[in-house]
Amino acid sequence: QQPVQSPQAVILREGEDAVINCSSSKALYSVHWYRQKHGEAPVFLMILLKGGEQKGHDKISASFNEKKQQSSLYLTASQLSYSGTYFCGTELTDSWGKFQFGAGTQVVVTP
Amino acid sequence: DTEVTQTPKHLVMGMTNKKSLKCEQHMGHRAMYWYKQKAKKPPELMFVYSYEKLSINESVPSRFSPECPNSSLLNLHLHALQPEDSALYLCASRLVGTLDTQYFGPGTRLTVL
Repeated sequence: QQPVQSPQAVILREGEDAVINCSSSKALYSVHWYRQKHGEAPVFLMILLKGGEQKGHDKISASFNEKKQQSSLYLTASQLSYSGTYFCGTELTDSWGKFQFGAGTQVVVTP
Repeated sequence: DTEVTQTPKHLVMGMTNKKSLKCEQHMGHRAMYWYKQKAKKPPELMFVYSYEKLSINESVPSRFSPECPNSSLLNLHLHALQPEDSALYLCASRLVGTLDTQYFGPGTRLTVL
């Protein structure tokens, strides 16, 4: 079951913040966040495991709410290099290895 | 080193051709994946190999035939493809049974004429 990702797109000025959400109707084992730039492969940002963990990568952080089966990615003080399409990839508790990706969020950071 | 390599980078083939895509990693990962990605869409899982055995096949048409000859190598054999099969084909690898993520190769851009 494909996770639901929102918003579809967001336009930011440099220095602004944004939140991207990823939710599942089934129990999640892990959530993986990737960023993909045009014509390139997805690049791993971070992994969230059940347990409400919060992780950080530079000024990008994420959280996992096990009760809601939802993960959120926080882009703080955005930089031009943050532009790209962000995907969440989820694994269900009964399906290790079987990744389902959200539809993606296109992020454009302008000067 | 978290490198997954894929060859070729680009491939153009006719509907009657037979071709193969190759993926290689030397990270000791025993899970390897094939994904198909159309423009402006997320990667779509096709196959998963775990310890060189096919563990997941997402009902992919038989014109796509995966092969995992050893723990470092993954092939995708293509035969009698359709124009709608044109896409970016991504390979990824991962440590089995762990909480580690999967690492993607750069992909092969396939065009079917």
